[in-house]
Amino acid sequence: AQSVTQPDIHITVSEGASLELRCNYSYGATPYLFWYVQSPGQGLQLLLKYFSGDTLVQGIKGFEAEFKRSQSSFNLRKPSVHWSDAAEYFCAVGAGGNKLVFGAGTILRVKS
Amino acid sequence: DVKVTQSSRYLVKRTGEKVFLECVQDMDHENMFWYRQDPGLGLRLIYFSYDVKMKEKGDIPEGYSVSREKKERFSLILESASTNQTSMYLCASSPQRVNYEQYFGPGTRLTVT
Repeated sequence: AQSVTQPDIHITVSEGASLELRCNYSYGATPYLFWYVQSPGQGLQLLLKYFSGDTLVQGIKGFEAEFKRSQSSFNLRKPSVHWSDAAEYFCAVGAGGNKLVFGAGTILRVKS
Repeated sequence: DVKVTQSSRYLVKRTGEKVFLECVQDMDHENMFWYRQDPGLGLRLIYFSYDVKMKEKGDIPEGYSVSREKKERFSLILESASTNQTSMYLCASSPQRVNYEQYFGPGTRLTVT
């Protein structure tokens, strides 16, 4: 069965510092991969997605992610974090039949 | 923009009550989903639907049922609410084509006392 692991429950970074959130997935074929963000009290918003092709994908709000098949990873990065990026981030993998399997989430705190 | 709305942002119910959570989407999407979100567990799929009157069990359907009488509306029903159903409930929708991209509502935080 498909699964997603986000090893870091909480991450704290200083404003202006770079960010990398880790995501590892388990899936037999070429995966459909997603990163969503959830601001406090809000629903989930899609940041970016990978279906095929270029393994480095660009998303909204200055985020990017890199698909590495050999490592079964899809890590999310941002070169310079803003205070407004504080939120919870979810990695997800397509699981057949339009269903998604989500990781447990990583809560990002930004220090000023 | 796709809009998914949920009937309540916050709801407080008593143990044993029947609870209805409503979700409406305005983009004519065929697929609709109900998740519950708990700290440290991420989102877990309760039920989903590919079409009107169709429903499929997700990973944690016990204690829940759903109804989809119209394409735009997908209801989650807790027949007899229990305290372990206190959670955040998220509704999502997606178009028919298989690309997995889902659009989420703002969520309903349900507390069962």
